[in-house]
Amino acid sequence: QKEVEQNSGPLSVPEGAIASLNCTYSDRVSQSFFWYRQYSGKSPELIMSIYSNGDKEDGRFTAQLNKASQYVSLLIRDSQPSDSATYLCAVGFQKLVFGTGTRLLVSP
Amino acid sequence: DADVTQTPRNRITKTGKRIMLECSQTKGHDRMYWYRQDPGLGLRLIYYSFDVKDINKGEISDGYSVSRQAQAKFSLSLESAIPNQTALYFCATSGPTGQGIDTQYFGPGTRLTVL
Repeated sequence: QKEVEQNSGPLSVPEGAIASLNCTYSDRVSQSFFWYRQYSGKSPELIMSIYSNGDKEDGRFTAQLNKASQYVSLLIRDSQPSDSATYLCAVGFQKLVFGTGTRLLVSP
Repeated sequence: DADVTQTPRNRITKTGKRIMLECSQTKGHDRMYWYRQDPGLGLRLIYYSFDVKDINKGEISDGYSVSRQAQAKFSLSLESAIPNQTALYFCATSGPTGQGIDTQYFGPGTRLTVL
């Protein structure tokens, strides 16, 4: 059973702080890694994708991948209240396995 | 206009009824997926299709069937709905990005309630 594990949270951070979201996965052959943001009752929205070890930055978001440790993370710098949502980690290639998500709360 | 559309957006039905959820996409993608989402359980794959002639069961296909009518259309049917099929259902599509990453794009979802 391929698994993707995330802490359900909530992770509470003050506005302007860095939010760090973590994800571990069990399938060593996974090739692609994604972070989706989902607001309550809405569909998942792609935030970041990463497929090689290291860091990938896009604006306030940085994805970090360590295949040896089977670990992927998402850093959100200068967190805003509008970042409050559930963040889903997804791992795989053509078929994705999703984690259950981490709920992030950014307080003003 | 949205690239991935789902109809209906909300549906309330009774136990034993047959119901169809429809998904259409204008992204030109070959691959389409159906997921359900339940609180605390995340997104779970029901069925997926890599092209019109290819249909595959996902993690939780029991009680569901699908039809890929065209490249752009993928329908999910509940032949005899039961209350534990109450959930939020998402359709997704994916296609080559040129980077080897098969990004999935989601429709707006259908909230289904089975009484």
